[in-house]
Amino acid sequence: NAGVTQTPKFQVLKTGQSMTLQCAQDMNHEYMSWYRQDPGMGLRLIHYSVGAGITDQGEVPNGYNVSRSTTEDFPLRLLSAAPSQTSVYFCASRSGYEQYFGPGTRLTVT
Amino acid sequence: AQSVTQPDIHITVSEGASLELRCNYSYGATPYLFWYVQSPGQGLQLLLKYFSGDTLVQGIKGFEAEFKRSQSSFNLRKPSVHWSDAAEYFCAVVTGNQFYFGTGTSLTVIP
Repeated sequence: NAGVTQTPKFQVLKTGQSMTLQCAQDMNHEYMSWYRQDPGMGLRLIHYSVGAGITDQGEVPNGYNVSRSTTEDFPLRLLSAAPSQTSVYFCASRSGYEQYFGPGTRLTVT
Repeated sequence: AQSVTQPDIHITVSEGASLELRCNYSYGATPYLFWYVQSPGQGLQLLLKYFSGDTLVQGIKGFEAEFKRSQSSFNLRKPSVHWSDAAEYFCAVVTGNQFYFGTGTSLTVIP
């Protein structure tokens, strides 16, 4: 039981490039989320999904896309990276109010 | 709107000393409240949660928290801090179906 896994751990992008952050969970949770963590800001919700085929926006969705084709996977796409998207990204899955976090992806956009 | 305030950005305590981390929330009804810990380079781990009932809740690693409705607070405590407790601590509230996190308190433990 690996819990929530995220790849890559680190990534450097140039402004304008696109990429996908991968997230997978093996706990059969319906609810999954993406957060970004910035110094002095805590964690802010980007997008979330309450089940396969269902996604919705969180607090800071601009510049990000998500899809949920399976229960296990919830990738986050950066369409055209900007320096303001330099952050640490956490994926999480939930069972009720028990939330489990992945180890994070540290993204730098230059 | 819901919000969570952690007024202390950074706290330093000596090993063996007691600890209290403050958390205040803004929400009309009784919220669901959580404390998480984040070790360097790691994701967040749940320490404890409060939904209802007894206002003093026990968590993992010897932590406890007390819900005080009159003060809109949910402060985290530990009677004797260990060096391994050095980490960042986040308070969170769930309203509707979404979590809202505080900005975190960084804890340094000195020997």
